[in-house]
Amino acid sequence: NAGVTQTPKFRILKIGQSMTLQCTQDMNHNYMYWYRQDPGMGLKLIYYSVGAGITDKGEVPNGYNVSRSTTEDFPLRLELAAPSQTSVYFCASSPGPENTEAFFGQGTRLTVV
Amino acid sequence: QKEVEQNSGPLSVPEGAIASLNCTYSDRGSQSFFWYRQYSGKSPELIMSIYSNGDKEDGRFTAQLNKASQYVSLLIRDSQPSDSATYLCAVRSPGGYQKVTFGTGTKLQVIP
Repeated sequence: NAGVTQTPKFRILKIGQSMTLQCTQDMNHNYMYWYRQDPGMGLKLIYYSVGAGITDKGEVPNGYNVSRSTTEDFPLRLELAAPSQTSVYFCASSPGPENTEAFFGQGTRLTVV
Repeated sequence: QKEVEQNSGPLSVPEGAIASLNCTYSDRGSQSFFWYRQYSGKSPELIMSIYSNGDKEDGRFTAQLNKASQYVSLLIRDSQPSDSATYLCAVRSPGGYQKVTFGTGTKLQVIP
């Protein structure tokens, strides 16, 4: 049982480059989330999705975009990378708001130089 | 005021002692409360959830909730070095998609 899988695990980007962080889950969860975690900080919600075709902004959406074409996949797009986007990114999923245990992927450590 | 506040620590306890981790929250309408454990360089994993006032026990872990005082705590009995990690408090608020807000975490060090 793979759970939530994120790729890549590490990435270095140059300022102004773009990239997509991939996230897929095999638990048939409706809810999926993207968080970022800066050193010594909690998790900040970037975007979330309550089902295929439905996405919405979280607390810190600027500089990011998402799509949800299938239940399984929830990629996060970074356009015009900036040093402020250096962080660890976690994708998570949950069955819904009622069962709000979130299962996390292993994270992607992104450095923008 | 931060929505979810935790002391960043580190909290150091000797092996076998009780570790007490605290969390306060600002939204009185909050409904559900969670404790996640995060080892260094790893992703968070849920260890406890609590929804009603009082205590909830699971093995060596006890979550305590006091909605009137807006705090939630986690007690770890017989602390082990393997408990050394950062513990994140998370709070689910009502309305909308019922967002979950995380605290910044408390780093726990269990000294052998």
